[in-house]
Amino acid sequence: AQKITQTQPGMFVQEKEAVTLDCTYDTSDPSYGLFWYKQPSSGEMIFLIYQGSYDQQNATEGRYSLNFQKARKSANLVISASQLGDSAMYFCAMREEDDKIIFGKGTRLHILP
Amino acid sequence: GAVVSQHPSRVICKSGTSVKIECRSLDFQATTMFWYRQFPKQSLMLMATSNEGSKATYEQGVEKDKFLINHASLTLSTLTVTSAHPEDSSFYICSALNVENTEAFFGQGTRLTVV
Repeated sequence: AQKITQTQPGMFVQEKEAVTLDCTYDTSDPSYGLFWYKQPSSGEMIFLIYQGSYDQQNATEGRYSLNFQKARKSANLVISASQLGDSAMYFCAMREEDDKIIFGKGTRLHILP
Repeated sequence: GAVVSQHPSRVICKSGTSVKIECRSLDFQATTMFWYRQFPKQSLMLMATSNEGSKATYEQGVEKDKFLINHASLTLSTLTVTSAHPEDSSFYICSALNVENTEAFFGQGTRLTVV
């Protein structure tokens, strides 16, 4: 069974609009962490945001925010005021108690001018 | 933020030869490093978890003798692809977990082409 599910293989969004990238996860560990990474065509992995399972508030980093709904086991990434440079692959990932970090299949985001 | 340096960024080798890829954490100590493989337009597949001073933990289906991992110090992990074949051609990327376990810093990746 997949531990990280990203149901949107591709998304097209108009520039300046907000976009939500979906991520659901599956774990029985009480302590875990959730990450979002951006991977442009160059291949590098760019860390965007982190949410710990015990964090009371949703994480925010600039234009990125994580909509953490623990009961639903979802950790959606919200990008506000999208820019052309946001076009990339986005990966949701989870770290469980064994410290392994497992990735979802990713969502390719296209920002349209 | 912290920096992880991966070298080389690109390598082309002949079938049957071995290739070593280095992953260094430049400004922090990483007791745990991870090695991933990524096929074109696919996600990162965890190959192994590398722990300093102990044997690496390999994921199911990853050949230990094929992909040798050495985590000799708190700042260096190496992946050696032994007797490389064309099907080993891929993008390999390492990451290092910070002490707080709140961020995994990635290397720049290595594109391996076996001809």
